[in-house]
Amino acid sequence: AIQMTQSPSSLSASVGDRVTITCRASQGIGNDLGWFQQKPGKAPKLLIYAASTLQSGVPSRFSGSGSGTGFTLTISSLQPEDFATYYCLQDYTYPYTFGQGTKLEIK
Amino acid sequence: EIQLVESGGGLVQPGGSLRLSCVGSGFTFSSNTMNWVRQAPGKGLEWVSFISSSGSTMYYADSVKGRFTISRDNAKNSLYLQMNSLRAEDTAIYYCARTKGLDYWGQGTLVTVSS
Repeated sequence: AIQMTQSPSSLSASVGDRVTITCRASQGIGNDLGWFQQKPGKAPKLLIYAASTLQSGVPSRFSGSGSGTGFTLTISSLQPEDFATYYCLQDYTYPYTFGQGTKLEIK
Repeated sequence: EIQLVESGGGLVQPGGSLRLSCVGSGFTFSSNTMNWVRQAPGKGLEWVSFISSSGSTMYYADSVKGRFTISRDNAKNSLYLQMNSLRAEDTAIYYCARTKGLDYWGQGTLVTVSS
């Protein structure tokens, strides 16, 4: 199975900061990479698919980049509602695999 | 509005069985592949199973292979997960999610395996 290594596992930041989360695949996955946001007690929400395409309704401060084995999620200016846990997902092949998650906390 | 609603979770003893359901609305259910994803308490996300739009192709995580069976009834806009020989480590919230990219998720149903 393809392993997804996500970093950092936690991150403290302030409103207005720019933050970047990284995901690395154990083998090439093209651009078959999604990013999800999960808030406590809620289902995950798709933010970005195909590595860099913003899901409908997602604010433009979220962006994704990368291909092959290295990917990043960037939030350009953190808003209070962005404090949550973020996961990457490779949907290149089954079994799908998620990164371990990044908990984004308020500094 | 696209909606996915899971049901069927609950408390079951180790070795027991449970059948989860997921009903989709607001989209053409029969045209979409579907998945089950789970999340153990306080842990990350784990993909569990996939089924093609017709129901002819299924995939499973190694952790559930041989114990869980995914199926669907397109006439009822419904997805199922039959879970047998349940173990404590199967305790989790189970979500159904639509399509290759898991673009829409249900609210989840909690399965607790405990004596």
